[in-house]
Amino acid sequence: TQLLEQSPQFLSIQEGENLTVYCNSSSVFSSLQWYRQEPGEGPVLLVTVVTGGEVKKLKRLTFQFGDARKDSSLHITAAQPGDTGLYLCAGAFGNEKLTFGTGTRLTIIP
Amino acid sequence: GAVVSQHPSWVICKSGTSVKIECRSLDFQATTMFWYRQFPKQSLMLMATSNEGSKATYEQGVEKDKFLINHASLTLSTLTVTSAHPEDSSFYICSASVGTYGYTFGSGTRLTVV
Repeated sequence: TQLLEQSPQFLSIQEGENLTVYCNSSSVFSSLQWYRQEPGEGPVLLVTVVTGGEVKKLKRLTFQFGDARKDSSLHITAAQPGDTGLYLCAGAFGNEKLTFGTGTRLTIIP
Repeated sequence: GAVVSQHPSWVICKSGTSVKIECRSLDFQATTMFWYRQFPKQSLMLMATSNEGSKATYEQGVEKDKFLINHASLTLSTLTVTSAHPEDSSFYICSASVGTYGYTFGSGTRLTVV
């Protein structure tokens, strides 16, 4: 079983601050995805990265896939209360099963 | 596109009874579906992978006789929790693979066993 460790597990910061969430594994993935989940709902895809070293931006969110395709990071600039939620990374081999990270619960304080 | 509809969204059942959760792919054919379980404040844990027309593949530690998965058609996969007990109370989510690197998720089912 591949394990994806996310850090930090919990993060509470003031509105306007920047933050970075990390996702680390000892396994190499063909693709890595980041999701955001609201309570009582299914996870919603934010981004998919497939190439080592790849960087993708989604408004104030920047995602990076490690060169060795074993780790990834999510950086949020000028966090807003609407960014509050559970952030999950997930790795897969091709179209095989998706293994989720341990999760980071983010709270943005207005 | 690529929407998975999951029902029911929540269910309460008595201990010892069985509960069926359905996931339907609305606008595509889902050859492979995945079933996850999520406890409060935790991440999603894969329970099993179901392939249309064949037996599901269960993850280590998941009781196949307790969590029955059926994927009889390309648009429907079901998870039946048999002889449910309070410790089975959880949030169950299905997912289907779409395209090369895509996955689409159902909205989840909150199961409470009393």
